Amino acid sequence: KNQVEQSPQSLIILEGKNCTLQCNYTVSPFSNLRWYKQDTGRGPVSLTIMTFSENTKSNGRYTATLDADTKQSSLHITASQLSDSASYICVVSAGSTLGRLYFGRGTQLTVWP
Amino acid sequence: DVKVTQSSRYLVKRTGEKVFLECVQDMDHENMFWYRQDPGLGLRLIYFSYDVKMKEKGDIPEGYSVSREKKERFSLILESASTNQTSMYLCASKPPGQGVSTQYFGPGTRLTVL
Repeated sequence: KNQVEQSPQSLIILEGKNCTLQCNYTVSPFSNLRWYKQDTGRGPVSLTIMTFSENTKSNGRYTATLDADTKQSSLHITASQLSDSASYICVVSAGSTLGRLYFGRGTQLTVWP
Repeated sequence: DVKVTQSSRYLVKRTGEKVFLECVQDMDHENMFWYRQDPGLGLRLIYFSYDVKMKEKGDIPEGYSVSREKKERFSLILESASTNQTSMYLCASKPPGQGVSTQYFGPGTRLTVL
């Protein structure tokens, strides 16, 4: 069964600290994996995308990793800021242009001052 | 920049009412999608459309219908709203030639059915 599991469900950290969010998937055939950030009351916005051959990709303070063998991905946030408070959603794509997406349930991150 | 807009940010309706949720994109995208998002469940696909007047059921189409009369506009219709349709509704569109994961989301409509 194609599934995307994220952990933890929620996380609270202090401003300036680092954190890592996890995503495990069983989607096949794998096309790519995206991490989205969703601010409260807003639509999701893409942070990174990785294909099978990529194992790390950065976007500012966000660094995503992908281990296609173990079907695991992580999103590392460095030097967190209050504006990082959001839901982070892992999305795995199966197939290509006409394929479909499998969404994780998200990790709710709260950054405290 | 791609812009996907949704007609309302917040909507309150009564059980049994017919509800229209509108989504407009300004980038001539062929593919458009409607999702609902519920706490603890993530995003679930309701319907999608590959082109004008074309529609396909997603994972949870029951209780919903859609309309795509113009390329830029994709409407989600709740024929007779029920309380279990209280949710956040997200519209997305995809550029032609891009993988299915290249979707741009609107800001969402939070619908409450009383």
